[in-house]
Amino acid sequence: GIQVEQSPPDLILQEGANSTLRCNFSDSVNNLQWFHQNPWGQLINLFYIPSGTKQNGRLSATTVATERYSLLYISSSQTTDSGVYFCAVERVTNAGKSTFGDGTTLTVKP
Amino acid sequence: DAGVTQSPTHLIKTRGQQVTLRCSPKSGHDTVSWYQQALGQGPQFIFQYYEEEERQRGNFPDRFSGHQFPNYSSELNVNALLLGDSALYLCASSLNSWDSPLHFGNGTRLTVT
Repeated sequence: GIQVEQSPPDLILQEGANSTLRCNFSDSVNNLQWFHQNPWGQLINLFYIPSGTKQNGRLSATTVATERYSLLYISSSQTTDSGVYFCAVERVTNAGKSTFGDGTTLTVKP
Repeated sequence: DAGVTQSPTHLIKTRGQQVTLRCSPKSGHDTVSWYQQALGQGPQFIFQYYEEEERQRGNFPDRFSGHQFPNYSSELNVNALLLGDSALYLCASSLNSWDSPLHFGNGTRLTVT
């Protein structure tokens, strides 16, 4: 199956700092999503971004499908940004089955 | 606009028992997927239902089965529970479209003792 690797596994920031999270995948995909899982376990969809760049407030994401990676940028981080960030991809040949990475755990300190 | 709802929120079962988890999709969605998330790991795909049929299945044994009803709601059944089945079970809904994002419920925390 497709491999999804996220880095770094853990990240600790001071409030106000910026960060970049990376997601590498091993095969062509037609679907890539970024999620934030808060400390209570709720998974929130941040971006649907199979290619190109999108921005939503302090968050933005870029996917370079031809090079098989995606980046999530968080600017001016806040304590509420803490949690686990997951990347999930869906192969062209396996529509409907999303494969998640192991996530990046972000801790933002006040 | 109701989001994805799951019940129950927590459940404790004994090894060998059977369990049923329930999911109502987001309003307007017709496709339901189930995921298992063990502690410290990303969600693992169990299966997906569309038009009351299992359309895709991950690497889970036959002890895991499901159902989708005409109103698009879904159930996940697990038979002969093992200690290793203890996890957060997540339901996600979407539209039957290649570009439809997943929307997740808050999950059911299952503990098998």
